[in-house]
Amino acid sequence: NAGVMQNPRHLVRRRGQEARLRCSPMKGHSHVYWYRQLPEEGLKFMVYLQKENIIDESGMPKERFSAEFPKEGPSILRIQQVVRGDSAAYFCASSETGGYTEAFFGQGTRLTVV
Amino acid sequence: TQLLEQSPQFLSIQEGENLTVYCNSSSVFSSLQWYRQEPGEGPVLLVTVVTGGEVKKLKRLTFQFGDARKDSSLHITAAQPGDTGLYLCAAASQGGSEKLVFGKGTKLTVNP
Repeated sequence: NAGVMQNPRHLVRRRGQEARLRCSPMKGHSHVYWYRQLPEEGLKFMVYLQKENIIDESGMPKERFSAEFPKEGPSILRIQQVVRGDSAAYFCASSETGGYTEAFFGQGTRLTVV
Repeated sequence: TQLLEQSPQFLSIQEGENLTVYCNSSSVFSSLQWYRQEPGEGPVLLVTVVTGGEVKKLKRLTFQFGDARKDSSLHITAAQPGDTGLYLCAAASQGGSEKLVFGKGTKLTVNP
């Protein structure tokens, strides 16, 4: 059973471009969480999704950021018009039933904005 | 805003030594988790504690959840170089929130 797969592992974007980060949850998992980790900072919650629904997006900036988890395919975190401050590691986690008792994190996507 | 304070921030010890790291908050949590993260990787869940006063052991690691469910500790016995990593505590607030709050972590280095 493959773990949570995130791609790309590393992404470089110029200021103003769009970044699309993908997360394929573990097989059978329908709950996905996105977190952002800045250097020397802890992980910060961004958004919680279930299949086709955004449940909690309270940690996601209102501008430029969006997330989706379609019926088929991976969850996508999309950042439009990236700025230097968006440079960070973005992690997703998935669980089968919600809650974190059996949640598993992916290896992350490291976004660098130049 | 619920905050988790972890201490110490950095810890460098010799192989074979014992150590304890702490995770404290002024808030009460329904559960608390400990993760280990290695450079370039995602966090790996070590344990979840739910009941106040609970103690869980994972080989040489002992985790304790405070009686009031506001704090936790991780004790490692006879540390090995393979224990090196960033130890993060995380907690979900009461009410079953799906939003995990993470501490900034303790960066542990175990020297051979």
